[in-house]
Parts: sequence; C-alpha cells; structure tokens
Amino acid sequence: NAGVTQTPKFQVLKTGQSMTLQCAQDMNHNSMYWYRQDPGMGLRLIYYSASEGTTDKGEVPNGYNVSRLNKREFSLRLESAAPSQTSVYFCASSPQTGTGQFFGPGTRLTVL
Amino acid sequence: GESVGLHLPTLSVQEGDNSIINCAYSNSASDYFIWYKQESGKGPQFIIDIRSNMDKRQGQRVTVLLNKTVKHLSLQIAATQPGDSAVYFCAESSMDSSYKLIFGSGTRLLVRP
Repeated sequence: NAGVTQTPKFQVLKTGQSMTLQCAQDMNHNSMYWYRQDPGMGLRLIYYSASEGTTDKGEVPNGYNVSRLNKREFSLRLESAAPSQTSVYFCASSPQTGTGQFFGPGTRLTVL
Repeated sequence: GESVGLHLPTLSVQEGDNSIINCAYSNSASDYFIWYKQESGKGPQFIIDIRSNMDKRQGQRVTVLLNKTVKHLSLQIAATQPGDSAVYFCAESSMDSSYKLIFGSGTRLLVRP
C-alpha cells in the first residue's frame, strides 16, 4: 500500500513551457486534491475532485488545469509555466470531502 | 474571508517536556479540524482530527482540544521527542466551504536535546 504517489519529484522548466504533474492513490479514496506550498506559508488549494468525474476550483486555480483520469489518478497541468508558479506541489486524497486528507511526498517545481 | 491562523510561529521546548501548539480560527461554522505534521522535504502527515461535537480527543502522545466559544484549537504533545521537531499546521473545514480544508501558516516546533 503505497498511499499517495507523485511524479516527478523535481522539475525545472523555462517560462512558457508546459508540463503535467501526476498523482495516484491506492486507498480507494473518492476525493483528490492539488495544493501548492510556498516558503513559509501553509498549503493553498489549487483544484480538487470530490469524486470521479468531477473537478472544482480551489483558492488559486489560475494558470492550472486538472484531469481526474479515473478513481486512482488526478493530474495537474501547467499550460504555460510562469516564475510565479515556482513552488512545491502536493497531491492529497481522502475517503470523501470533509474527512482527513493524506498527502503525497510533493513535487518541487522551479520555473526559470 | 475566513482564515485559520497560529499564535506562535516558532516553539522551542526541552526534550521530555510537553508541547502546546495553538491555532485560532475565524469561521464559526467550521465543524471539522485536523492537525498535520510536516517534516523538512516531506508532505504533511495526518496527526489527529476532531469534529465540532467534541471538546477533546486523544491519540498516541497527542491530544487536541477544541474551544468553540473562543474559536481556538490546540495540539498537546506529551513527552516531546527530537522526532517531533517539525512544522505543525492546523486546518479547518465547514459545509459552507464545501468541506475544503483551509490551512493555517504553520508553527515550527524545535526540540532541544
């Protein structure tokens, strides 16, 4: 039981490049989330998926898109990366919204 | 907007002492609260949660206290160990925010040997 896994662990992009961050969970959870964490700050919700087939915006969705590929997988896409998107990105899952969320190890993204 | 915040950005304690980390929240409709621990370079780790119909909940060496009257949450760690050194976040959610978690900015706990 690996929990929540994320790939890649590290990524460096140039401004304007695109990339997709992958997330998968093996806990049969219904809900999945993407957060970003900037230095000295808490986590801010980018997008979430309350259940397979649905996605909703969080606090900071601009510049991002998501896809809930199936119950296990939830990807985050940066279409045109900007330096302001330099951050650590965490994926999380929970049995349903309103229950404890379990986090992956994170992806450190640097946009030059 | 609604927010969750912390009183002390850094807490330094002697190994073996008890630690208390505090958190204030502003949404009186919040009904679910979680404490997370985050070690350097890792994702947040679920510690303990509490719902608004409870005042206290205990886990292994940890206790969460909820005071809804003053909208205050605390995490107590008994016999603090070096492995407890980390940043601790509180998070809250409510039905009116579709149960999305709102995180505080974190408190760093340093354990002195």
